[in-house]
Amino acid sequence: GAGVSQSPRYKVAKRGQDVALRCDPISGHVSLFWYQQALGQGPEFLTYFQNEAQLDKSGLPSDRFFAERPEGSVSTLKIQRTQQEDSAVYLCASSDRTSGGRDTDTQYFGPGTRLTVL
Amino acid sequence: QKEVEQNSGPLSVPEGAIASLNCTYSDRGSQSFFWYRQYSGKSPELIMSIYSNGDKEDGRFTAQLNKASQYVSLLIRDSQPSDSATYLCAVLYNFNKFYFGSGTKLNVKP
Repeated sequence: GAGVSQSPRYKVAKRGQDVALRCDPISGHVSLFWYQQALGQGPEFLTYFQNEAQLDKSGLPSDRFFAERPEGSVSTLKIQRTQQEDSAVYLCASSDRTSGGRDTDTQYFGPGTRLTVL
Repeated sequence: QKEVEQNSGPLSVPEGAIASLNCTYSDRGSQSFFWYRQYSGKSPELIMSIYSNGDKEDGRFTAQLNKASQYVSLLIRDSQPSDSATYLCAVLYNFNKFYFGSGTKLNVKP
């Protein structure tokens, strides 16, 4: 079956522009996560959805960051008024996890979107 | 702030040797532990998960967990040049939040 897909793979934005990053999770996966990965660092948690509900957005760095998953499948991460410090790889991951059941903890990552803000 | 600490490396081992990668975590409430491999420019891919104290083996890979010491490790036996990558330790906390270390870069020399 198809894995997690993300688009675009690369995005160059001028400072101040708005960007939208898309994630298509593995079909049927309930949980969806967004991460930000700076060069030489591990992924940092941004936000988590269970179906269409955004259960945790504590990692979003500012109110310029907004994520949605209106129908419980595809998700979009939007960054408004981009700044140079937003330059990073944005990773999306999905899992079959709901609550309980350790076998479903595993997250599967998409290829990421590399965002460069000039 | 939950912390996951890894030595950034690089860790260099000769082909055929055992590579030992270590990770410590700060929160005793952490439930599940994962090792991911990330090649340069690629996304993380799961190598192993471990939930209980002790060892878990899968082919050339062995994960070790010691919850009392808040320590998890990954051993790679018979290291191959294709194992050269960054290895990320990830800790699941509160059922839905993963914390990643910054990764250890492994270099296996032919």
